[in-house]
Amino acid sequence: EVQLVESGGGLVQPGGSLRLSCAASGFTFRSYWMSWVRQAPGKGLEWVANIKQDGSEKYYVESVKGRFTISRDNENSLYLQMNSLRAEDTAIYFCARDRKVLNYFHMDVWGQGTPVTVSS
Amino acid sequence: DIQMTQSPSSLSASVGDRVTITCRASRNIGSYLNWYQHRLGKAPRLLIYGASSLLSGVPSRFSGSGSGTDFTLTITSLQPEDFATYYCQQTYSPPRTFGPGTKLEIK
Repeated sequence: EVQLVESGGGLVQPGGSLRLSCAASGFTFRSYWMSWVRQAPGKGLEWVANIKQDGSEKYYVESVKGRFTISRDNENSLYLQMNSLRAEDTAIYFCARDRKVLNYFHMDVWGQGTPVTVSS
Repeated sequence: DIQMTQSPSSLSASVGDRVTITCRASRNIGSYLNWYQHRLGKAPRLLIYGASSLLSGVPSRFSGSGSGTDFTLTITSLQPEDFATYYCQQTYSPPRTFGPGTKLEIK
């Protein structure tokens, strides 16, 4: 079964750090781009970052640049290192598989999400 | 960054109805447009990619159309499980922005 399982979320103080993990199974992880997407309470989906198969390309939404780092180990794990956390980073964080058909990327497999709360 | 807008922001409909949701990009994105369904407490679900390609396993009552800046998602014969929030997303260039969502509610 193709599956993504996030972990590492929790309560952290403003200015603190957290590292999210996403464990992939049921597919050849190293063959896919991977993404992180978040949903703040009462808000819509927000794409956060993605990473190429070999880690050579990474992209971020402006609001997390310089604070978040996406990485992967190319066995079966994706990571999101989150530093200098702010209250507005409070959200459920989803990892997703980025499939490419022709030139069209789309996130076809998603995890259930891990909650992050930034509060004192 | 490419901005995405959706209309309406919310929509009330009945089981069996046909509904259409519109998504607009701030500039030409070709067909680099996906549609997702998101139910509260669940993982988002991909429905349509490349503006009009139905993901395998998604019911044929879902369809997408459009190119350039204007896109639509149509759901024919609404089923109870279709009441959710729908998001468009552009993948033309990073950051891969989502629209603000359209909440589809039961009338």
